[in-house]
Amino acid sequence: DAKTTQPPSMDCAEGRAANLPCNHSTISGNEYVYWYRQIHSQGPQYIIHGLKNNETNEMASLIITEDRKSSTLILPHATLRDTAVYYCIVRAFNTDKLIFGTGTRLQVFP
Amino acid sequence: GAGVSQSPRYKVAKRGQDVALRCDPISGHVSLFWYQQALGQGPEFLTYFQNEAQLDKSGLPSDRFFAERPEGSVSTLKIQRTQQEDSAVYLCASSLNDAGDLPLHFGNGTRLTVT
Repeated sequence: DAKTTQPPSMDCAEGRAANLPCNHSTISGNEYVYWYRQIHSQGPQYIIHGLKNNETNEMASLIITEDRKSSTLILPHATLRDTAVYYCIVRAFNTDKLIFGTGTRLQVFP
Repeated sequence: GAGVSQSPRYKVAKRGQDVALRCDPISGHVSLFWYQQALGQGPEFLTYFQNEAQLDKSGLPSDRFFAERPEGSVSTLKIQRTQQEDSAVYLCASSLNDAGDLPLHFGNGTRLTVT
């Protein structure tokens, strides 16, 4: 699986949009971009994934650049409960496992 | 329905003891994964099952680690002769199948402390 690069930490004010970047410059055409988050003492929680097109669900939006070499996870109105470590992962269509990096620690402050 | 369930939630073992960690995946999920997460690190892959078949055990750190899923549902991760470096959170995840476009659903893990 391609490796990803994320900033180690970010801050965001409550109620504002949190934009978490991820670089995956060696991504292959059959690899999906996945985002998970992990709140303290819990298992990773699936957020969203995409291949080429931008995606939106009830939790977040995923913006993938046209060349697919980077993406941004957007939490439109961050709350204190969004404080977590966010992992960006690329995963091939026909592979079995997710390979986690060290993620971005997002701190949402009041 | 219920999510992935793991038990026990916490386990303390003396060095040299054997431990068994249980995972109940989401009903009907074919794929099952075990991960190990050390403090401050991201989860690291240990092993993968498709139904009862263990298709990938490349991440198991030593032959003291053994996983099974005999009936293609519940899985057990066994660690023999535990060492202090085995202290970590052990996470289980399941997926409907092994297609790359389906997410993995994780349990909350078992925190193992070896003293």
